[in-house]
Amino acid sequence: DTGVSQDPRHKITKRGQNVTFRCDPISEHNRLYWYRQTLGQGPEFLTYFQNEAQLEKSRLLSDRFSAERPKGSFSTLEIQRTEQGDSAMYLCASSLVKASYEQYFGPGTRLTVT
Amino acid sequence: AQTVTQSQPEMSVQEAETVTLSCTYDTSESDYYLFWYKQPPSRQMILVIRQEAYKQQNATENRFSVNFQKAAKSFSLKISDSQLGDAAMYFCAYRRVEYGNKLVFGAGTILRVKS
Repeated sequence: DTGVSQDPRHKITKRGQNVTFRCDPISEHNRLYWYRQTLGQGPEFLTYFQNEAQLEKSRLLSDRFSAERPKGSFSTLEIQRTEQGDSAMYLCASSLVKASYEQYFGPGTRLTVT
Repeated sequence: AQTVTQSQPEMSVQEAETVTLSCTYDTSESDYYLFWYKQPPSRQMILVIRQEAYKQQNATENRFSVNFQKAAKSFSLKISDSQLGDAAMYFCAYRRVEYGNKLVFGAGTILRVKS
């Protein structure tokens, strides 16, 4: 266990529904990252926060995706009007700025859109 | 843009033997970090080993070592005395020194360990 938790671990939803995932980083970590991993591929960067500020978003993050990190603690990733192509594992990772070369990953949320 | 390529989708090794996983990358940066991450089935991804590009010495962590060839942009992982617990998906990853520190991953190599 790396100390990063994600909830839920699995989510099955119908196309067109909205879903929200939560990530709780290691408590003293001020950087938080979201990645998406499709079957047979490596994780792809989506977005990251330093404290509560969202500093970078990938072009993979369409308008249907939104992420927040209120008060610089936990983070949520919301997908609106889900599509079958959104089916993937959504990974969260956290790190310290000072020792930012090491990111600690959560177990992921597996999303299946039917 | 930086890219990471792992050309071996799957590898097998006999328990107690040695295996090498390959990784190449493309970047115009001179300073960066390279990583190998391990993702066991249904478990969290964990860092195996890290290499700073400015260091000429290859990183070593117990049974895991790397062969870092900066000019060739090659970064292979050697696992010695393979154990059943080494079976997992292994990802090679690149990170710039600054600018957010996002990781760029390869597609991964599945390592199977035979007893």
